[in-house]
Amino acid sequence: AQTVTQSQPEMSVQEAETVTLSCTYDTSENNYYLFWYKQPPSRQMILVIRQEAYKQQNATENRFSVNFQKAAKSFSLKISDSQLGDTAMYFCAFRPQTSGSRLTFGEGTQLTVNP
Amino acid sequence: NAGVTQTPKFRVLKTGQSMTLLCAQDMNHEYMYWYRQDPGMGLRLIHYSVGEGTTAKGEVPDGYNVSRLKKQNFLLGLESAAPSQTSVYFCASSQGLAVYNEQFFGPGTRLTVL
Repeated sequence: AQTVTQSQPEMSVQEAETVTLSCTYDTSENNYYLFWYKQPPSRQMILVIRQEAYKQQNATENRFSVNFQKAAKSFSLKISDSQLGDTAMYFCAFRPQTSGSRLTFGEGTQLTVNP
Repeated sequence: NAGVTQTPKFRVLKTGQSMTLLCAQDMNHEYMYWYRQDPGMGLRLIHYSVGEGTTAKGEVPDGYNVSRLKKQNFLLGLESAAPSQTSVYFCASSQGLAVYNEQFFGPGTRLTVL
């Protein structure tokens, strides 16, 4: 079974600054995918960024980037130039490549961007 | 496209009552999922479907049943609601299993069982 752990229940950052959210996971799978989802107060789940485990290059989407350390089973999210609209709950999620389509989510990190 | 829609958005039940949550998607996706979200926890998979007429158990299936009679619809049923089923329920859909086949989520249904 897979587990995903987000050890930071809450974080805050000043507008325009950079913040990093942590995520670790445990799995015996070798091929898998990792995701970061954003859930603003509207409750809508929005995919932020995705990473394939076989790719060594870290994924980047505009202001969002990841630091994927496969050996350490770590998958952190860096948000650069934080904006007020980034205020949301952020979930890290794991999906095996071959074992069906289940997503396993972490507990979430509530990020608040302060003006 | 409306994407993934859920009906109703809110519901209050008494213990022992039954209800059905409806999820509809207009993206012709093969896969559909039901999750629940409880405070301090991430989403947990209840049941899922890999195609019309198929269903499978997820991580927390007890107390729920599902049906996928039409490709675009995925129903979640509670036969005898319990206070432990108070939660926010999310439906999602995806085209396949490749990494680029992301799961698209509905807006959620907040269910309270008294």
